[in-house]
Amino acid sequence: EVQLVESGGGLIQPGGSLRLSCAASGFLASSYHMTWLRQAPGRGLEWVSVIYSGGTTYYADFVKGRFTISRDNSKNTVYLQMNSLRAEDTAIYYCARVVTHDSGWIPFDYWGQGTLVTVSS
Amino acid sequence: DIQMTQSPSTLSASVGDRVTITCRASQSINSWLAWYQQKPGKAPRLLIHKASSLQSGVSPSFSGSASGTEFTLTITSLQPDDFATYYCQQYKTYPWTFGQGTKVEIK
Repeated sequence: EVQLVESGGGLIQPGGSLRLSCAASGFLASSYHMTWLRQAPGRGLEWVSVIYSGGTTYYADFVKGRFTISRDNSKNTVYLQMNSLRAEDTAIYYCARVVTHDSGWIPFDYWGQGTLVTVSS
Repeated sequence: DIQMTQSPSTLSASVGDRVTITCRASQSINSWLAWYQQKPGKAPRLLIHKASSLQSGVSPSFSGSASGTEFTLTITSLQPDDFATYYCQQYKTYPWTFGQGTKVEIK
């Protein structure tokens, strides 16, 4: 059974850092593109970052230079290192899988349950 | 960035109704559009990808269509479990972007 489990969220002061983890099971995360998305309380969905199976990364402008996505294939885990956190980064952070086929991609077919990050003094 | 505009923002409907949600992209995204369903306190669930391809395990009462930069999600007969918020999302170009959501409420 495919599962994604996020962890690492919590309350952090503005300017602080957190590292989120997304532990995958039931499939080899190294064979898929993996993404992070977020949802501020009562708001819509925002894509944050993606890491390709080959290691290429892309970021939304609002996190570029502050957040870093990475993966540890030996642990089947994807990370999101978040630095210089701001109040507007407060959100539930989800990881999700992207399937790639010759005929096209299937975005976000599996999601984790999310982890809440609250940035407040 | 590609802007995704959904309408309506809220939709009141009854069980058994046919429901249509529209999503318009600010530029061409070909068919690289997905639809998601989200219930309160839960992660979103993929319903449709590539504009009209039904995700495995999703009820065939859901369907998607495209005409240029306008995309439509249709629920042919609304069931109690379908009351939720629906989002469209383009994945043609980074940053991948979502519509603002459509909340389907009980009339």
